[in-house]
Amino acid sequence: DGGITQSPKYLFRKEGQNVTLSCEQNLNHDAMYWYRQDPGQGLRLIYYSQIVNDFQKGDIAEGYSVSREKKESFPLTVTSAQKNPTAFYLCASSIGVDGGIYEQYFGPGTRLTVT
Amino acid sequence: GESVGLHLPTLSVQEGDNSIINCAYSNSASDYFIWYKQESGKGPQFIIDIRSNMDKRQGQRVTVLLNKTVKHLSLQIAATQPGDSAVYFCGNFQKLVFGTGTRLLVSP
Repeated sequence: DGGITQSPKYLFRKEGQNVTLSCEQNLNHDAMYWYRQDPGQGLRLIYYSQIVNDFQKGDIAEGYSVSREKKESFPLTVTSAQKNPTAFYLCASSIGVDGGIYEQYFGPGTRLTVT
Repeated sequence: GESVGLHLPTLSVQEGDNSIINCAYSNSASDYFIWYKQESGKGPQFIIDIRSNMDKRQGQRVTVLLNKTVKHLSLQIAATQPGDSAVYFCGNFQKLVFGTGTRLLVSP
């Protein structure tokens, strides 16, 4: 089964703790993305990566960090610096980005609640 | 900057009706749009895409229309079914910008 997996589906953390959200894809896609989704708002881009060991900030990168050590994995760390971390986080991948026209495939999402 | 938006937060239709969901965009240089369907608590699913060199594209029960003059695109769903109930949103893949979504409610 090809696709994108995110784990866990629900995550609870105390304020002040860093937390890492997992995203794995077996589609052999070069590009991967992290979005945040809040009620009444569209998807907002946090970070994206076009290739291994390279990533760029999106519109709301503050308080987040990522790594791309492997093609199939793009974990997102929500740090204690993120002022409002409670949200639904979506990971996506595509064959390429920036000049290409390629469909994005989304994972099932992780709902993070920080109290 | 680039933005896309949807016209109505909620659209209620009867089963069997045709549904039309609208989206507007701001940047005339945009050239690739995607429509997604998102069910509650799940990730978005690709429905259909359209490039700026096209005015219309059809899929299974869905049609997307692109009007570049007024920077507007629409998603038409024929013979809407209860299983179509979800949030639908458009996105500009070139700019990685997405609309807020329209919730489609289908009554049997």
